[in-house]
Amino acid sequence: DGGITQSPKYLFRKEGQNVTLSCEQNLNHDAMYWYRQDPGQGLRLIYYSQIVNDFQKGDIAEGYSVSREKKESFPLTVTSAQKNPTAFYLCASIGGGPQHFGDGTRLSIL
Amino acid sequence: RKEVEQDPGPFNVPEGATVAFNCTYSNSASQSFFWYRQDCRKEPKLLMSVYSSGNEDGRFTAQLNRASQYISLLIRDSKLSDSATYLCVVNTNAGKSTFGDGTTLTVKP
Repeated sequence: DGGITQSPKYLFRKEGQNVTLSCEQNLNHDAMYWYRQDPGQGLRLIYYSQIVNDFQKGDIAEGYSVSREKKESFPLTVTSAQKNPTAFYLCASIGGGPQHFGDGTRLSIL
Repeated sequence: RKEVEQDPGPFNVPEGATVAFNCTYSNSASQSFFWYRQDCRKEPKLLMSVYSSGNEDGRFTAQLNRASQYISLLIRDSKLSDSATYLCVVNTNAGKSTFGDGTTLTVKP
């Protein structure tokens, strides 16, 4: 079945450490997105990419970085510059219609 | 001002009630609109697209008003299983996709 796979499901980060969240899709979608969701809040856009080797900052890009070397993959790195990284991270893709979401990654600080 | 704003809620309604949510957007270049449902600690799931002429799917009706830049979702004959957070999302023609903060609905027996 086609879909979006996010891994890991749970991730723990030490202070000062960079961590990378994986997002892979086999839907052949061009556009991919990363969102952050804090408890009781809505989804905030971190980065998005409409095509391979191109991406744009969303509303809260500071402390995060992405790459889009392959159509299927859009990894998100949470850098040590992100001082409050604890949140639910959601990856999504669009192929001309509504967004399809992965199951999400829960990131916590140790 | 946020790009997409929703009724803050929460909405607490009895079973069988009709409830409506509104969502306003500020970017006039917005091109496509959707309503999603999110259950606690899960990813959002598509509820329905919103078309200019309005559209209905069973007990759910979505409307779009481009002149006033808002979309709405109407739920008729609420069920206990409708309890969730409802999110509107607005996509621009430049590919940016922005969600509202969500409105929480609790349907009580």
